[in-house]
Amino acid sequence: EAGVTQSPTHLIKTRGQQVTLRCSPISGHTSVYWYQQALGLGLQFLLWYDEGEERNRGNFPPRFSGRQFPNYSSELNVNALELEDSALYLCASSRGTGANGYTFGSGTRLTVV
Amino acid sequence: GNSVTQMEGPVTLSEEAFLTINCTYTATGYPSLFWYVQYPGEGLQLLLKATKADDKGSNKGFEATYRKETTSFHLEKGSVQVSDSAVYFCALPGDAGNMLTFGGGTRLMVKP
Repeated sequence: EAGVTQSPTHLIKTRGQQVTLRCSPISGHTSVYWYQQALGLGLQFLLWYDEGEERNRGNFPPRFSGRQFPNYSSELNVNALELEDSALYLCASSRGTGANGYTFGSGTRLTVV
Repeated sequence: GNSVTQMEGPVTLSEEAFLTINCTYTATGYPSLFWYVQYPGEGLQLLLKATKADDKGSNKGFEATYRKETTSFHLEKGSVQVSDSAVYFCALPGDAGNMLTFGGGTRLMVKP
């Protein structure tokens, strides 16, 4: 069984640009969660999608957005990139409720210069 | 609301030393409790979990016991290895029950 896959693994963008990160959940998992992990810091919750709907959103500006597709894969879009957006972006998925735990992908390392 | 508090790191140990990373929680009811591990350059992996009070989760030599009396879920290992160097996160479901709430993470460094 394939795990949670994220793409790309690394990318470098210039301040002001836009970026799209992608996540494919484990087969059968309907919920997708996005987290930001800045260097040396903990996990900051970004977004939660379930069955194609946004269910919850963390304390991030509107330039962070996303969506979930009918096949349950998900995209995270960040507009007007700022230097402080440089971080590891982690995607996780769960079958139904996340109360039973998540499975994480390996993340996308975004560097904004 | 539901929350977890972890000891701050870094924790630096010599190989074969005993490890304890403290985690205490605040929760309504008795939700499942989790420990995740993040090795350098990777995402988080589920290390172990306990689904009810007094349960002990274990994996790869690590153990944690769900103690409702002390609202704790401390992570222990009897003899750490250099390969255990990583960041460890304690977690539990949030108030809505559908998302996990993570502690701030504890960095463990094991020296040969």
